[in-house]
Amino acid sequence: QQQVKQSPQSLIVQKGGIPIINCAYENTAFDYFPWYQQFPGKGPALLIAIRPDVSEKKEGRFTISFNKSAKQFSLHIMDSQPGDSATYFCAASAGTASKLTFGTGTRLQVTL
Amino acid sequence: GAVVSQHPSRVICKSGTSVKIECRSLDFQATTMFWYRQFPKQSLMLMATSNEGSKATYEQGVEKDKFLINHASLTLSTLTVTSAHPEDSSFYICSASPRSNQPQHFGDGTRLSIL
Repeated sequence: QQQVKQSPQSLIVQKGGIPIINCAYENTAFDYFPWYQQFPGKGPALLIAIRPDVSEKKEGRFTISFNKSAKQFSLHIMDSQPGDSATYFCAASAGTASKLTFGTGTRLQVTL
Repeated sequence: GAVVSQHPSRVICKSGTSVKIECRSLDFQATTMFWYRQFPKQSLMLMATSNEGSKATYEQGVEKDKFLINHASLTLSTLTVTSAHPEDSSFYICSASPRSNQPQHFGDGTRLSIL
């Protein structure tokens, strides 16, 4: 019930490509779904987040798509750049500031 | 924006030593802070919820006598790893939120290496 499943485990795309990372959850009490970016040796940084009352949210090059009935959400990175190479984690919580359950992470590499 | 600071960023010590890690909210007060542990190439796993002025809430499987948490003020929570052993070597990260309707901000973590 508390798990958040994330795929793929790793992803390589060329510069300008659109990597897509998918997550699925089971706990229907979750109502806040953030995505975090983490560089080696650093803490995770919030990229974008969504609530289940909307199906899509866009901020800059990052877009979240949310499917409440399927209990799935995904991150799309438009016009990806080598600087986007990092590990991306989806997460979920019951409440914006509540404890987070993280997905397993996706290591993204953007090549030139 | 909200800033969470951790200290030290890295610590190396001998087996059997106790190590204290600090987590500070620099520009806001936090009644609740969270402590996570991250092993190499793995995800973040919540260890405990630190509550200002009361006992911490530990996740299942986390030894409260091993990982002592103190949240004595609205801007500081500490995690003490007691009698640390090599298997405690990990990346420890804290987080906090300025308000109940705002997202969590994470510190830059503490890399703990036990020899």
